[in-house]
Amino acid sequence: EIVLTQSPGTLSLSPGERATLSCRASQTVSNDYLAWYQQKPGRAPRLLIYGASTRATGIPDRFSGSGSGTDFTLTISRLEPEDFAVYYCQQYGSSPMYTFGQGTKLEI
Amino acid sequence: EVQLVESGGGLVKPGGSLRLSCAASGFYFNDAWMSWVRQAPGKGLEWVGRIISNAGGAKADYAAPVKGRFTISRDDSKTSVFLQMNDLKTEDTATYYCSWVVPASAFGRWGQGISVTVSS
Repeated sequence: EIVLTQSPGTLSLSPGERATLSCRASQTVSNDYLAWYQQKPGRAPRLLIYGASTRATGIPDRFSGSGSGTDFTLTISRLEPEDFAVYYCQQYGSSPMYTFGQGTKLEI
Repeated sequence: EVQLVESGGGLVKPGGSLRLSCAASGFYFNDAWMSWVRQAPGKGLEWVGRIISNAGGAKADYAAPVKGRFTISRDDSKTSVFLQMNDLKTEDTATYYCSWVVPASAFGRWGQGISVTVSS
C-alpha cells in the first residue's frame, strides 16, 4: 500500500500570500495519478487537481499542482479568504487501493 | 448537473448492520465507477471501497479495515450504489461519502455525506 505523507500539518498564512503544500509518497505513484482536494468544515471534499497538475473544472488558476514520481506540490499563488481549509492529496494510480494523505490545514 | 445523494445513515449498536444508498443523476451511471469514502469525526479521509461498472463485471474492492464486513453493490436501473455494512464497530463511526470515480481523473464528484454512529 502506498502511504502519502503531507507536510506541513498546519500552515499559517495571510490572504495574498503564497501557499506551498507538499505530498510525499512511499512508492512511485503510477502514471502520476495524484489528486488534491479541498475540504471546508461540514462540507464534502472538492477536487482541485488531478493527474498531478491538471486543474479540475471551475478551479481558479491560482491553484496549481506539480511533481511526479514520489514528490508532489500544491501551490496557491495568492491566497483568498475562501482558500483557508484542509487540503488532502490522494493517489489513485494503484487502483483499487486508493489512499489519502493525512491532510494539511491552511489557516489564517 | 451531477448529483449524488446519500441516505440510510443513523445510530446502530456495535455488531449491527446498516445499508447506505447513494442516488446518482446527471451522468451516465451505467459506465460509472463509484466509490465510498468515510471520515471519522475530526479525522482525515479514508477510502472504503469501489465498484466498477456492470460491463466490467461490477467487481468491488475494499480497504483492509472493512473487507469481509462491508459489501458494495449497484443497481443501474435505479442509478444507485449501495454500501451494506455488517458487524459494525465503534471505529466505523464516520460521515460516509459516495463519489463518482473517473479512472484517469480521480474522484470528481461527491455526495453531501451521511452520518453513521456506532454506539451502545
